[in-house]
Amino acid sequence: GAVVSQHPSWVICKSGTSVKIECRSLDFQATTMFWYRQFPKQSLMLMATSNEGSKATYEQGVEKDKFLINHASLTLSTLTVTSAHPEDSSFYICSASPRLAGLNTQYFGPGTRLTVL
Amino acid sequence: KNQVEQSPQSLIILEGKNCTLQCNYTVSPFSNLRWYKQDTGRGPVSLTIMTFSENTKSNGRYTATLDADTKQSSLHITASQLSDSASYICVVSRISGGGADGLTFGKGTHLIIQP
Repeated sequence: GAVVSQHPSWVICKSGTSVKIECRSLDFQATTMFWYRQFPKQSLMLMATSNEGSKATYEQGVEKDKFLINHASLTLSTLTVTSAHPEDSSFYICSASPRLAGLNTQYFGPGTRLTVL
Repeated sequence: KNQVEQSPQSLIILEGKNCTLQCNYTVSPFSNLRWYKQDTGRGPVSLTIMTFSENTKSNGRYTATLDADTKQSSLHITASQLSDSASYICVVSRISGGGADGLTFGKGTHLIIQP
């Protein structure tokens, strides 16, 4: 149980285009999902907290207009990187908290490798 | 400031040997501590979770210890296998009103098992 999937697993795009990454909780409902970014040999850095049915909460320094988050249902959150640039190339990981487990219980997705040319 | 420090930063050992990874934290108030294994290009997978009252917890060849007084934890890997090559991340949760600021991530230990 407690499986989180991400799609796509990797994507290569041209600079200036937008890329959408999906995060799904497959066997549980998640009122809250989290988006992280991880650079090589670095730890996960929280970007934003996504709450079902409401606006996402962004961490300091993360541009909300560049990283659009939509949490339309209890099992799906999407991250759209708008007008992507090479510096946005990174490993993006989502996590989901089961509805009754508390926010500190997070199950991580497998990650999405974004490469912007 | 809530911090999690892991050591060593990287470690290379021969297959079959044991190793111990360290995690020191200053997170307060403490809720729990988790060790994750992250394979290259994959998301973290939970190995163990320990609360304040637990000193030792095992998961197969992985044994985690926790000393809540000194705020230290260790992850011991026994009879290492090539598949153990990964980054091991220590994550400490604090009792918070909500939000993922309740989690503090260590930078991880990059472990390489050589045949």
